[in-house]
Amino acid sequence: GAGVSQSPSNKVTEKGKDVELRCDPISGHTALYWYRQSLGQGLEFLIYFQGNSAPDKSGLPSDRFSAERTGGSVSTLTIQRTQQEDSAVYLCASSLQAGGGRGKTQYFGPGTRLLVL
Amino acid sequence: DQQVKQNSPSLSVQEGRISILNCDYTNSMFDYFLWYKKYPAEGPTFLISISSIKDKNEDGRFTVFLNKSAKHLSLHIVPSQPGDSAVYFCAASASSGTYKYIFGTGTRLKVLA
Repeated sequence: GAGVSQSPSNKVTEKGKDVELRCDPISGHTALYWYRQSLGQGLEFLIYFQGNSAPDKSGLPSDRFSAERTGGSVSTLTIQRTQQEDSAVYLCASSLQAGGGRGKTQYFGPGTRLLVL
Repeated sequence: DQQVKQNSPSLSVQEGRISILNCDYTNSMFDYFLWYKKYPAEGPTFLISISSIKDKNEDGRFTVFLNKSAKHLSLHIVPSQPGDSAVYFCAASASSGTYKYIFGTGTRLKVLA
């Protein structure tokens, strides 16, 4: 009974390097979300995938951030030319359906802790 | 502009007593609200939710109250247990239009044994 899984759990990188973060959603969940939590902040929405529809990238903070979801399942969040302000916990969530109402609860993975030196 | 606010960054409560965590929102389009609990080094865990058609939802020791006119919700934990010590986030969404949750900044609850 797998929940949402993310890898790696921790990532330390040097400023300017690229990183890839992976998310495996709950099987059968059609919607996938990426959030990030910076120190002392709430969860900030980044991007959303629903089935085969084009993703909503409105929350991505800059064009250094991109994400893809292959085969409607696994998703990869890529950060190019990392900066120190990218240091945060990156959380992935999935839900059975998209939307913000009842019955569309998002379930979160454990997160990837990214530290950019 | 923070649409969801948790004004108390921390709260300490004695074991067995009631914990009350508060959350305020500004967007009148929000009609679905959730509370998540987060332990260190883990992702947020769904706790309880409430739709705007209700003003109270109860699940065991956890009760969420919604006051739409005040744009305020609260989470009551009775009785509080040491295992409840965690960071609690409230989140809000609109069932029409947006799909993303807007989260507050969290309240760290410490239940003292």
